[in-house]
Amino acid sequence: EIVLTQSPGTLSLSPGEGATLSCRASQSVVSNYLAWYQQRPGQAPRLLIYGASNRATGIPDRFSGSGSGTDFTLAISRLEPEDVAVYYCQQYGSPLTFGGGTKVEIK
Amino acid sequence: EVQLVETGGGLVQPGRSLRLSCTASGFTFRDHAMHWVRLAPGKGLEWVSGISWDFGSIDYADSVRGRFTISRDNGKNSLYLQMDSLRPEDTAFYYCTKSGGYNRNYPLDFWGQGTLVTVSS
Repeated sequence: EIVLTQSPGTLSLSPGEGATLSCRASQSVVSNYLAWYQQRPGQAPRLLIYGASNRATGIPDRFSGSGSGTDFTLAISRLEPEDVAVYYCQQYGSPLTFGGGTKVEIK
Repeated sequence: EVQLVETGGGLVQPGRSLRLSCTASGFTFRDHAMHWVRLAPGKGLEWVSGISWDFGSIDYADSVRGRFTISRDNGKNSLYLQMDSLRPEDTAFYYCTKSGGYNRNYPLDFWGQGTLVTVSS
């Protein structure tokens, strides 16, 4: 099983700043089967990024994903209050696994 | 519009059983793998189980293998999770999720709102 480690645990930033979230895998992720999800307070998670760098339908271009192998990054530019959420990375090889999440707060 | 509606959650005593259901609409259910994912209090997301479009591939997390059974009825556009021998650590919101394709190697591109399962005496 691939273990995903996310850092930092919490990120506290001001509106308009940029955020960089990290996801490190215990072994190489096959075919870049790496996704990012956003879970706002009280809501279900939603898909942001798949295939490491492809934005899902309706996701603004402030969100971008990059990386390959064992190191992946989610970047959020120009933070807005609506971006307050927990962000999870996930690999969808076998079996599926999630990282522990990064909580993004607005100062 | 894609919709996934989970039902069947509630309060149950340790050792008892519960069956979750998920009714899907707005897409061709039989063409997609489906999964259950849970979120326990104070914890992160945990994948629970998945089933391919044709029932040919079924997987479970180690934490539930042997106690939970996933199934689907493509004629009724429904996904199920039979949960037996429930433990307090199974307490969580359970989300029904849609895979982007027919097997496990696709992201989870839509999630239901979840149903809460509480295991407590």
